[in-house]
Amino acid sequence: GENVEQHPSTLSVQEGDSAVIKCTYSDSASNYFPWYKQELGKRPQLIIDIRSNVGEKKDQRIAVTLNKTAKHFSLHITETQPEDSAVYFCAASKSSGDKLTFGTGTRLAVRP
Amino acid sequence: GAGVSQSPRYKVAKRGQDVALRCDPISGHVSLFWYQQALGQGPEFLTYFQNEAQLDKSGLPSDRFFAERPEGSVSTLKIQRTQQEDSAVYLCASSFGSPHSNQPQHFGDGTRLSIL
Repeated sequence: GENVEQHPSTLSVQEGDSAVIKCTYSDSASNYFPWYKQELGKRPQLIIDIRSNVGEKKDQRIAVTLNKTAKHFSLHITETQPEDSAVYFCAASKSSGDKLTFGTGTRLAVRP
Repeated sequence: GAGVSQSPRYKVAKRGQDVALRCDPISGHVSLFWYQQALGQGPEFLTYFQNEAQLDKSGLPSDRFFAERPEGSVSTLKIQRTQQEDSAVYLCASSFGSPHSNQPQHFGDGTRLSIL
């Protein structure tokens, strides 16, 4: 089955700096790669996703890049703000309607 | 409702008791997923329904775990003879279409289960 690894496990940045979180996956059949943000005690919330026919996608301060050959994808957050502080999870699946395999999460702390 | 609703939010049970966790998906959503999230970990897949049919239960950790969705809307996850290692947050997610659609999964707030 699919295996997703995520790094780093914790990340601390100064407000206004950029944050980068990286994930690798094992199953070449995976085609859908979402990123979820989870605040303490809250539900995971989809912040951005990318499909295998696209190499990069942006949404305001958030971007995701995908390298299918190397089987890795990354989340980039620019101009970080304290409200970006949360745990971020990457995931992979064959399609958006299929079961997701999650990474172990990255705890992001943005220092004011 | 506007989102996926789960109840109860918190459940404390003694080891050996049976528990039932409820999920109300977004109205009209065909697909429903259950995930288990241990403390400090990412969610792990348990089981999947398309309407009332349970199409994948490969993630259920033992035969003590049972899920149903008899009318294709509300789903219940039941755990029999609970054990301490069952302590986790149980998340439900729903999506509009079938596995090959382009609709993302929307999660509920989860049920935090603690087994004493």
